[in-house]
Parts: sequence; C-alpha cells; structure tokens
Amino acid sequence: GAGVSQTPSNKVTEKGKYVELRCDPISGHTALYWYRQSLGQGPEFLIYFQGTGAADDSGLPNDRFFAVRPEGSVSTLKIQRTERGDSAVYLCASSQGLEEQFFGPGTRLTVL
Amino acid sequence: AQSVTQLGSHVSVSEGALVLLRCNYSSSVPPYLFWYVQYPNQGLQLLLKYTSAATLVKGINGFEAEFKKSETSFHLTKPSAHMSDAAEYFCAVGPNGGFKTIFGAGTRLFVKA
Repeated sequence: GAGVSQTPSNKVTEKGKYVELRCDPISGHTALYWYRQSLGQGPEFLIYFQGTGAADDSGLPNDRFFAVRPEGSVSTLKIQRTERGDSAVYLCASSQGLEEQFFGPGTRLTVL
Repeated sequence: AQSVTQLGSHVSVSEGALVLLRCNYSSSVPPYLFWYVQYPNQGLQLLLKYTSAATLVKGINGFEAEFKKSETSFHLTKPSAHMSDAAEYFCAVGPNGGFKTIFGAGTRLFVKA
C-alpha cells in the first residue's frame, strides 16, 4: 500500500506569511506525528495525535504553530507569521502500534 | 527525561570494512530504542528496533545493534560496508510506547571505494 505522503514537497514563503503543510498517513494508522528537522540535526518532536486529538503537543515551539487532524486521518500543520528560523524540513510519520513509525519524505520549508 | 547522544557526526570507512556507529541513551524508564537511516532527499527508514526482547537486534541490510543496559548503549554495526550504505543514521529513544521519540543528531556514514 501507499506510504506516508506529504505536500507540498517544497514551500518557499516570505517572512510573516501563513503556511499549511499537509500529511496523508498510511491508511488505518491511528497515530500521527509531526517532527521538524533543521539542517544538520535529528528530527525534533513537535506534536503527536492519537485519532483526532492531540495527545501531546509539548514540542510545538510557540503559539504560531498549530496542527489539526479533524477526521483522524489527514493532518495539517499550520504556521502563522512565519519567521526565517522556521526554515526546516517538516516530517510527518504515522503508526498503528506504538513501536514503529513510518515517515513521509518531508516538506522543505524556506522562509525568505 | 530522555536523551540520545551519537558519538561522531561523521564516520568514514572503506568498502568491506566494519561499520560501527555509536549511540548512548538516557532514560528513566525501560526504553524502546531505534536506528533509522535517511538517504538524501528521502524520509527516514527504520533499520531496527529494541523493545525489551532480545538484546541483540538484527535489522535490514545486514545491520544489527546490541542493547547494553550497563553501558546505556545501543551501537549499530555491520560486518562489511557497501557503497550503498552511505547515508545519515539516527539513533532514537522512546518511552514504553514509543511516542515522542527523541532523536540523536545523526551520524553521516561515508563509504570509500
């Protein structure tokens, strides 16, 4: 079956703009995760959904970041008033159990 | 709190040589431990995982890792490197359950012909 997909693959925006990043998890996976990977770093946890609810959003850096998963499948990560420091690759992963997470290819966000 | 330290941001080996990538973890609860590989412009792929069963874990592509509680280590090894092994490798630790996985900074493996 299809893996985790993320759109767009690349997003270039200007400082201060609003962006949405989309994640389509593997069908049937109840858990969904967002990570941020800065250049030369490992992925950094942002938020975890179990079904429709955010079970742990402790990794969101500030209130400009928000994520939703209204129907328990597709998720959208929303970033308001983007800053140059938000530039990174945003990774999405999904899992059925709590052991193995399957990652998407990521969205590379560049804030000019 | 949990953390992961990967020793060496870059490792270079010759083709056919032993690969050893080091990972030490800190966890207040019995951990789940993972190694992921990331090829350029691709997502992370799970190599292997430790979930409190056998301490020697075998993964894909000939890689294996040994969980050593006394040393809080989970080093990744492969007896003979291939050119195709050149990639970034990430060690990660999760609580029992695996969510909020904490990743190390990664080790880039170079394989010389």
